[in-house]
Amino acid sequence: DVQLVESGGGLVKPGGSLRLSCVASGFTLITFDMNWVRQAPGKGLEWVSSISGSSKHIFYSDSVRGRYTISRDNAKNSLYLQMNGLRAEDTAVYYCVRDLTGMEAYWGQGILVTVSS
Amino acid sequence: QSALTQPASVSGSPGQSITISCTGISSAVGTYNLVSWFQVHLGKAPKLVIYEAIKRPSGVSNRFSGSKSGNTASLTISGLQAEDEADYYCCSFAGSSTPYVFGTGTKVTVL
Repeated sequence: DVQLVESGGGLVKPGGSLRLSCVASGFTLITFDMNWVRQAPGKGLEWVSSISGSSKHIFYSDSVRGRYTISRDNAKNSLYLQMNGLRAEDTAVYYCVRDLTGMEAYWGQGILVTVSS
Repeated sequence: QSALTQPASVSGSPGQSITISCTGISSAVGTYNLVSWFQVHLGKAPKLVIYEAIKRPSGVSNRFSGSKSGNTASLTISGLQAEDEADYYCCSFAGSSTPYVFGTGTKVTVL
């Protein structure tokens, strides 16, 4: 069965850093573009970042560009999101998502990141 | 690319049909019609119900259907059931610089 399991979330002070991880199982990671999507409390879904299978193509939303870095290690079946310079408005549940607009779109359960002093 | 526009809420009685619109689809979607719809139950991971605007993944009820016309995509749920009560989001390819954009989300209530 396909599984995406996020980890690394938690409480961090403004200006701090966190690194999210997403471990994939049940499929070959390199064959899919991967994404991070977040949902702030009481808000809608927001696309954050995408990375192609080979890591050749990387994209960020305007709200995180310059602060977040997406990466992947296909040999470890893992996707990462390094988050620096965190702000209160970055508080959200972060989801690891496979193939966002394709027939094999699949979401992890999400991990909560809280930015607060 | 700003968020795509969806109605905040749609409701219907069991057995009825409802339609959720998603407006503002970029022309960059082109012939591939890269629009997906996701169902989100509270506390659960989003689930794909429609991809490429009109296609239904295996395992998804045939009560879910999608369409697209111009810059608007739509999701129709026919034979509404209590289990359909959830939030629904569209997501579209938006071009090469910021490739994806979500809709504002629609809360579906089964009366």
